[in-house]
Amino acid sequence: QSALTQPASVSGSPGQSITISCSGTSSDVGAYNYVSWYQQHPGNAPKLMIYDVTNRPSGVSSRFSGSKSGNTASLTVSGLQTEDEADYYCSSYTGSDTVVFGGGTKLTVL
Amino acid sequence: EVQLLESGGGLVQPGGSLRLSCAASQFTFGSYAMTWVRQAPGKGLEWVSSISSHGSPYYADSVKGRFAISRDNSKNTLYLQMSSLRAEDTAVYYCAKERATSRSLSQFDYWGQGTLVTVSS
Repeated sequence: QSALTQPASVSGSPGQSITISCSGTSSDVGAYNYVSWYQQHPGNAPKLMIYDVTNRPSGVSSRFSGSKSGNTASLTVSGLQTEDEADYYCSSYTGSDTVVFGGGTKLTVL
Repeated sequence: EVQLLESGGGLVQPGGSLRLSCAASQFTFGSYAMTWVRQAPGKGLEWVSSISSHGSPYYADSVKGRFAISRDNSKNTLYLQMSSLRAEDTAVYYCAKERATSRSLSQFDYWGQGTLVTVSS
């Protein structure tokens, strides 16, 4: 159950777009379309932003989008806003009836 | 609005035990898989355990044999019995609800605010 690999930090200016990668293996990210993304502001619980690679829950801004290619999933945030500054985590079902999270990425809006 | 309220955290000595509870409301609790996720201070999220709507349990290797997940659908409550606790179990423990009734172990759409477990002598 090794953690998925995410960059420690990314940054962008308001209005720009950024992409956060989430690298796994052929046993987790590459094997299933069960990748989710969570946003966590300091002191708060995580919030589901993307599920099943590309789907947005009701109420989540369309500025957030997800994709996957091979063993790597990605979260793109377009039209960056100051409130997007937070930690972001990816997760994936692993097929051995477990879930694995990424190490997290701190998004800074400059 | 879905509500999840964790309780039972606190300070416990290494080797000790603790039972966490998660009281759920405003949804049909028995129809959804439920999950515990923890976050050590200043660290990332770590999946701990899940239980299907039918009661099948799943565990991370790091807690297998030491933690037990259960649910009481009549009380709309999720539990995590933790034993043989170690310093590395120190974390905020969150309970979370699966988004879809047909799914387990994949997408957690509501989270509680967490309860802090500190394992220290």
